[in-house]
Amino acid sequence: AQSVTQLDSHVSVSEGTPVLLRCNYSSSYSPSLFWYVQHPNKGLQLLLKYTSAATLVKGINGFEAEFKKSETSFHLTKPSAHMSDAAEYFCVVSRTGSARQLTFGSGTQLTVLP
Amino acid sequence: KAGVTQTPRYLIKTRGQQVTLSCSPISGHRSVSWYQQTPGQGLQFLFEYFSETQRNKGNFPGRFSGRQFSNSRSEMNVSTLELGDSALYLCASSSDRGWADTQYFGPGTRLTVL
Repeated sequence: AQSVTQLDSHVSVSEGTPVLLRCNYSSSYSPSLFWYVQHPNKGLQLLLKYTSAATLVKGINGFEAEFKKSETSFHLTKPSAHMSDAAEYFCVVSRTGSARQLTFGSGTQLTVLP
Repeated sequence: KAGVTQTPRYLIKTRGQQVTLSCSPISGHRSVSWYQQTPGQGLQFLFEYFSETQRNKGNFPGRFSGRQFSNSRSEMNVSTLELGDSALYLCASSSDRGWADTQYFGPGTRLTVL
């Protein structure tokens, strides 16, 4: 079985300050981990994915995430928030070999204050 | 390459009716997955089709069904609609080249059941 816990349902930051969205996972197998972003009334866009090649993963729009097996965490960070980053973010896990069935976290709503 | 397309984008139905949603995957992608997104339950996996066969299925009642055509386009059907079926239905496609595959999502179909 696999699951994902997003530790914060809402995060507010000021524009230009760092962003940290926290995610812990549980998986009986070596997982693939993803972060997706969803803007209002839009579909999901892939930010980045971890597939065991490197523990620090760089994604689009300046986001990155670090896979820490000892902590079972995959937190998403960005050095400087932009107004356009305001959206809902989902941490997602899939079992290696079964990448087509994704298990989603409950989401973190990011608000960026001017 | 064109992205995943879903039609229609919005639907309003009444209880007891049935509905069919359509999804066209990215050209060359053979795997199509469907997800339901609601405020209460979040994003949940419905089923996945590959080469016209259902390969994975989530925990949904038999009223939810789907199919895939030889051109990889997919439809999902919900019969005897209930108020709780109101949701955003997302379709995702992947190339199915391996376990690290990425799923690319369409914009979704917003279904409202009255």
